[in-house]
Amino acid sequence: DVKVTQSSRYLVKRTGEKVFLECVQDMDHENMFWYRQDPGLGLRLIYFSYDVKMKEKGDIPEGYSVSREKKERFSLILESASTNQTSMYLCASSDRGQRNEQFFGPGTRLTVL
Amino acid sequence: RKEVEQDPGPFNVPEGATVAFNCTYSNSASQSFFWYRQDCRKEPKLLMSVYSSGNEDGRFTAQLNRASQYISLLIRDSKLSDSATYLCVVGGGSYIPTFGRGTSLIVHP
Repeated sequence: DVKVTQSSRYLVKRTGEKVFLECVQDMDHENMFWYRQDPGLGLRLIYFSYDVKMKEKGDIPEGYSVSREKKERFSLILESASTNQTSMYLCASSDRGQRNEQFFGPGTRLTVL
Repeated sequence: RKEVEQDPGPFNVPEGATVAFNCTYSNSASQSFFWYRQDCRKEPKLLMSVYSSGNEDGRFTAQLNRASQYISLLIRDSKLSDSATYLCVVGGGSYIPTFGRGTSLIVHP
């Protein structure tokens, strides 16, 4: 059974803190993604990675960075958390094939106070 | 990446009804199409892929119309458990699929 796991289901941080969100997949997928999901706005792509140490900006990369040192792990970093980064963060992975089917983690609900 | 448009709903239907959602996409080069289901406070999960010839899985039927650039999802004999948000997803030749904002379905007794 395919699996994408995220380090926390719920997280509360203070403004200005550095926040790390971890994602691990066990499917040997090349592609990994970080999204945020807000009511009325749908899923918005923050960053994606198509290989180890490779990363590309998505639609809303400002205020975020990522790290992919190993194929199975993709980290999202909020350098200095702000209240407008309060959101649901979803990690996903897919293989390199054209079908692009994505498998999602359970999500991390981040609250920045 | 181009837009994927869905009617946000909610579609409010009684149990047993048939309901259909459409999703339009603007990138004519799109090559892969999916419907995902997302329950409240849960992650999206693949419901079904959409093939050129259309496909059916039990009560669910998905169709692709390349000429008019839309895909559809038909749910027959709706169940209470079908209540969810249905996300249309369109993929091109790149790694990145494009998600619609979702259509909310509420099935009531």
